[in-house]
Amino acid sequence: DAGVIQSPRHEVTEMGQEVTLRCKPISGHNSLFWYRQTMMRGLELLIYFNNNVPIDDSGMPEDRFSAKMPNASFSTLKIQPSEPRDSAVYFCASTRERAYNEQFFGPGTRLTVL
Amino acid sequence: AQSVTQPDIHITVSEGASLELRCNYSYGATPYLFWYVQSPGQGLQLLLKYFSGDTLVQGIKGFEAEFKRSQSSFNLRKPSVHWSDAAEYFCAVGAGGTSYGKLTFGQGTILTVHP
Repeated sequence: DAGVIQSPRHEVTEMGQEVTLRCKPISGHNSLFWYRQTMMRGLELLIYFNNNVPIDDSGMPEDRFSAKMPNASFSTLKIQPSEPRDSAVYFCASTRERAYNEQFFGPGTRLTVL
Repeated sequence: AQSVTQPDIHITVSEGASLELRCNYSYGATPYLFWYVQSPGQGLQLLLKYFSGDTLVQGIKGFEAEFKRSQSSFNLRKPSVHWSDAAEYFCAVGAGGTSYGKLTFGQGTILTVHP
């Protein structure tokens, strides 16, 4: 199994630009989670999907952030416009829909907004 | 709502010494508990998990954890630490019902290993 795949691994952009992060979950997993990790705030859950439907987006910091999951094998997290305070590592994780099943994390995307 | 507390932000041990990382959780029902490890520049990797049965669970890399319901704790232990264990460790709790596999993570404990 290829594991959770995220792209790009690194992204450097300028303030005001649109950023799109991509995630491919493990085949057969039907829950997908987006996290943000910073030194100051630690690991934060931004949004999660079940069967491609957004369940809880209360962690999305602002309207500048949006996420979609058009099918079971692909999700995007978009920031428009980006700001320097969005600089962080963004992780995607997937799991089968049961609480006792662990989440499998991708390698993360390191975003730097100048 | 569930919560997880890792009281130690940073722990330093010598190589070969024993290790215990603390984790306390808050949840009204039987919790599902996890320990993850994150090496620098990497994603989180599962070390071990508990959801029922024996309260002492074994994980990868020689780690174990003990679930103590009376203390609401799930501490991670290793009898002899290796330099490669230097990383950040996260405790997490999962809820039942319609949580869809959602986990609540602690703030993490950074482990430094001295030679």
